[in-house]
Amino acid sequence: GAGVSQTPSNKVTEKGKYVELRCDPISGHTALYWYRQSLGQGPEFLIYFQGTGAADDSGLPNDRFFAVRPEGSVSTLKIQRTERGDSAVYLCASSYMGGRADEQFFGPGTRLTVL
Amino acid sequence: GESVGLHLPTLSVQEGDNSIINCAYSNSASDYFIWYKQESGKGPQFIIDIRSNMDKRQGQRVTVLLNKTVKHLSLQIAATQPGDSAVYFCAESGQAGTALIFGKGTTLSVSS
Repeated sequence: GAGVSQTPSNKVTEKGKYVELRCDPISGHTALYWYRQSLGQGPEFLIYFQGTGAADDSGLPNDRFFAVRPEGSVSTLKIQRTERGDSAVYLCASSYMGGRADEQFFGPGTRLTVL
Repeated sequence: GESVGLHLPTLSVQEGDNSIINCAYSNSASDYFIWYKQESGKGPQFIIDIRSNMDKRQGQRVTVLLNKTVKHLSLQIAATQPGDSAVYFCAESGQAGTALIFGKGTTLSVSS
């Protein structure tokens, strides 16, 4: 079956612009996660959704970052007033129930470059 | 060749050798650990996991060892193949319950 998909695969924007990154999780997965991966580093947690609600947003770096999942499936990560330091690969993952030991399946990521 | 002990950012081995990749985790309360493989341009891919009530778990060509006393995790790959070349990350379940905390990656290079 289809895995987690993310669009766009690459996004180049200018400092100060607004961007939206999309994640399509595996069908039937109730849990969805966003991570950010800087060059040479491991992924860092941003936010976790259980269904439509954000169960844990403690990883969002500041209020320029926001994410939604209105119908409990597709999620959009929104970044306002982008800064050069936001440049990274943004990874989305989904899992069946969101339990501690549920396997998280990752998408290929969106590479964001802020000029 | 093998490498044990401290975390190394890179590991180079010959095809057919056994590889050992090490990881130190941060939270003594974490009870679930996972090894991921990440190839260039792709997201992390699950390899094997282990719960804290175990100290060893085996998969196909891979074995994970957990030492809770020193908060150390290792991944052993038997008969390493060129297709094993990638960056390997360990991850632990964080205090939030489901968010993964990733360790420093190790780049494994396998030469024929």
